[in-house]
This record gives sequence, C-alpha cells and structure tokens, in this order.
Amino acid sequence: ETGVTQTPRHLVMGMTNKKSLKCEQHLGHNAMYWYKQSAKKPLELMFVYNFKEQTENNSVPSRFSPECPNSSHLFLHLHTLQPEDSALYLCASSQDLGGGETQYFGPGTRLLVL
Amino acid sequence: GQSLEQPSEVTAVEGAIVQINCTYQTSGFYGLSWYQQHDGGAPTFLSYNALDGLEETGRFSSFLSRSDSYGYLLLQELQMKDSASYFCAAKYFKTIFGAGTRLFVKA
Repeated sequence: ETGVTQTPRHLVMGMTNKKSLKCEQHLGHNAMYWYKQSAKKPLELMFVYNFKEQTENNSVPSRFSPECPNSSHLFLHLHTLQPEDSALYLCASSQDLGGGETQYFGPGTRLLVL
Repeated sequence: GQSLEQPSEVTAVEGAIVQINCTYQTSGFYGLSWYQQHDGGAPTFLSYNALDGLEETGRFSSFLSRSDSYGYLLLQELQMKDSASYFCAAKYFKTIFGAGTRLFVKA
C-alpha cells in the first residue's frame, strides 16, 4: 500500500461510453499526476496538478478530461475513447513539484476500450 | 526532446550482481530516479540521485555521473523476487521515463 488508491481497478467501455477514473491520495501531498502505460512503451505523463491547479498537459487528446477538486483527489473523465486508448492508467502523487520529488503510484486502472 | 536509453532485457542468476545502465540527455537535467515494477503492479520508487556518486540502499545501489550523462542501478545478491521491470526516470522541467529494463533472475 503506497497511500494512493485508484478505482475502478478494471474497466471495459465502448467507444461511445462516458466513464471516470478516480484517484485519492492519503499522504498529504500537493502534486498529483496521471500517467498512461501501454504495452512495450515508456510511461507517458498525461497531466500534472499542483495545489489543484493544472501545471502540465502533454498534448493529451480532449477525449481525456482531468479534474482536481482538491489536493487529495484527482479524476480522469473519459468520453468517446478509441481502442488505442486501452492501457493501464496510473495515478501518482508527490509532496511537491520540486526537483527530486519521489512519486508514489497507485495500483492503476486497466482500461479496455472495445 | 529528452529521451532515455536503457537495455530492454537483462538475465542473471540468483546471488549474482547485475548493473542496469541508463543514459540521458544533459540539457535541463536535475536528477535520475529508479523505479521497480512487477508484472501487474504499479511502479515503486527505489532511489534518486541528484549528485555524482553512489547511493546505497540495502541490496540496491544507484550511481550517477553528470559529466557522462549516465547512471546505473546495481542489484546485489539477486533473488528470484527481483525479477521485474526497472525504469530510470530523468527529472527535467518534467519527468521523463525510460522504456524499462526487464530483469529475469534464474535459479
């Protein structure tokens, strides 16, 4: 247990569905992240939030919409996804965005888009 | 843009020592982290180097040479449970991850 929880752990959705991924951290951290991990590819950083404000969006398609209502919760809203969006979506948190911060990862949501 | 190079796969026997190398691009570099990820699991943090030299944590050590834009993770007294993927991650303005090195430990 890293102190970062994600729900659901598994999700199957059609291309016309709308779903949301939830991440919660119990570590008192200020920064939260969404990553995508596809088979045989490096981890891809999608979004970064610091003190609830988005500080980074790495050219992520608009069908992925993040939301950070407070420093402990992070959501990823999904709509009209494509099969190539099937991947493991990982949430992480760190104390701050300073150099050398340790990121603590949740267990991930394994997403399959049909 | 920044990218990291690390071997895709390494095989070693129980009790041995293995070194996983990682080269990175220098511009804007702050430090190098290492993460372990078992199949089906999430990455877990192992170490971070911002300065040159060796950082030791139990059986795992990490080394950085900023002048050579190079670091490595050293795993000693290998155990079967060390079979996993190991990622280096370089901190720039944002963090960039390598593609991972899959370590197979054989009996």
